[in-house]
Amino acid sequence: EVQLLESGGDLVQPGGSLRLSCAASGFIFSSYSMIWVRQVPGKGLEWVSSISGGGDYIYYTDSVKGRFTVSRDNSKTTLSLQMNNLRVDDTAVYYCAKAQTLGGVRYGMGVWGQGTTVIVSS
Amino acid sequence: QSALTQPPSASGSPGQSVTISCTGTSSDVGGYNFVSWYQQHPGKAPQLLIYEVTKRPSGVPDRFSGSKSGNTASLTVSGLQAEDEADYYCNSFGGSNTLVFGGGTKLTVL
Repeated sequence: EVQLLESGGDLVQPGGSLRLSCAASGFIFSSYSMIWVRQVPGKGLEWVSSISGGGDYIYYTDSVKGRFTVSRDNSKTTLSLQMNNLRVDDTAVYYCAKAQTLGGVRYGMGVWGQGTTVIVSS
Repeated sequence: QSALTQPPSASGSPGQSVTISCTGTSSDVGGYNFVSWYQQHPGKAPQLLIYEVTKRPSGVPDRFSGSKSGNTASLTVSGLQAEDEADYYCNSFGGSNTLVFGGGTKLTVL
């Protein structure tokens, strides 16, 4: 069974840092692009970042460029999101998701984790 | 990248059909056949319903179907059931390796 389990969400002050992790199992992790999506409670979904299976292609939404860094450890089947200089508007539930096909995340996100909550507040 | 436009709400009675629209531009929905749809129940993670405009993952009932015309994609739910009451989000490849979501549609089964 394909599973994704996020962790690392917490309450952090503005300007602080946090590292989210997503433990993957049940599929050949290195073959699939992965994605981070966030959702402000009661609001819609927002794409945050994507990373290719080998980790060589990485993309970010404009609002997190220069502050967030996505990475993956294929030997440990783990996806990470390092978040620095956090802002109040980064408060959200963060989901990791697996591409539906080997073609990448543009083809859809077939499996999602349960999410981890990040609250940025003083 | 602007969010795709979805109606905030939709409704239908059990057994009826409902169609949810998702309007973008020629730079996203209209430019690529990479539209996907997600269902999200309260407190749960989104689930993939449709990818590449019309394809259904295994396990998704054929009551759910997708289509696209120009810059607008659509999700049709046929034979509405009580468990279809949820939020629905569209997503499109936006070029330059970006992805964009719609604002979401709350589907109510009357």
